[in-house]
Amino acid sequence: AQTVTQSQPEMSVQEAETVTLSCTYDTSESDYYLFWYKQPPSRQMILVIRQEAYKQQNATENRFSVNFQKAAKSFSLKISDSQLGDAAMYFCAYRTAPYTGANSKLTFGKGITLSVRP
Amino acid sequence: SQTIHQWPATLVQPVGSPLSLECTVEGTSNPNLYWYRQAAGRGLQLLFYSVGIGQISSEVPQNLSASRPQDRQFILSSKKLLLSDSGFYLCAWSKTAFDYGYTFGSGTRLTVV
Repeated sequence: AQTVTQSQPEMSVQEAETVTLSCTYDTSESDYYLFWYKQPPSRQMILVIRQEAYKQQNATENRFSVNFQKAAKSFSLKISDSQLGDAAMYFCAYRTAPYTGANSKLTFGKGITLSVRP
Repeated sequence: SQTIHQWPATLVQPVGSPLSLECTVEGTSNPNLYWYRQAAGRGLQLLFYSVGIGQISSEVPQNLSASRPQDRQFILSSKKLLLSDSGFYLCAWSKTAFDYGYTFGSGTRLTVV
């Protein structure tokens, strides 16, 4: 079974600075998707960024980028120019590809709480 | 566009009372549907998922059950709530071969007293 580990329960960053959130996973599969979700105080889950395992290029979405190291099974999220609105809980998640039925499940890490200091 | 509705937003129920949380999806057909629970300070635990009407898979043994009476409707139920059922419940949907992960509902905060 796949597992996702987020070993840092909390992190803090100064506004306008850069922060990196770590995530590792364990799988025997060669094809899969990885995601970062954001959960602000409203508790609405928001997709931040996704990465296909077969793509070597790291995904980027505006101020958010990932460092995907497939061999090391590492998937970290970098937030540049941190803003107060980035304060939230961030979850790393894994999904098998191609997926149908039971394989459509997302496996989540336990999350990391990010605070942003003004 | 697709939307997902989940209600109620908050619920306070006494121990031993029944529970019914509802989730509906609009703008798509035959979605995969999921119920997750998030306990305080913890990650998301998958409770149930469904790939079609009447098809329910349970991930963990518990005091809860799920049903899918219609294609885009997913219901989480309990006959008798326990204190340990308190938590934040999230419904989500995905589409096979649609690789944008899940779309989540806004969640239900359940407090069992």
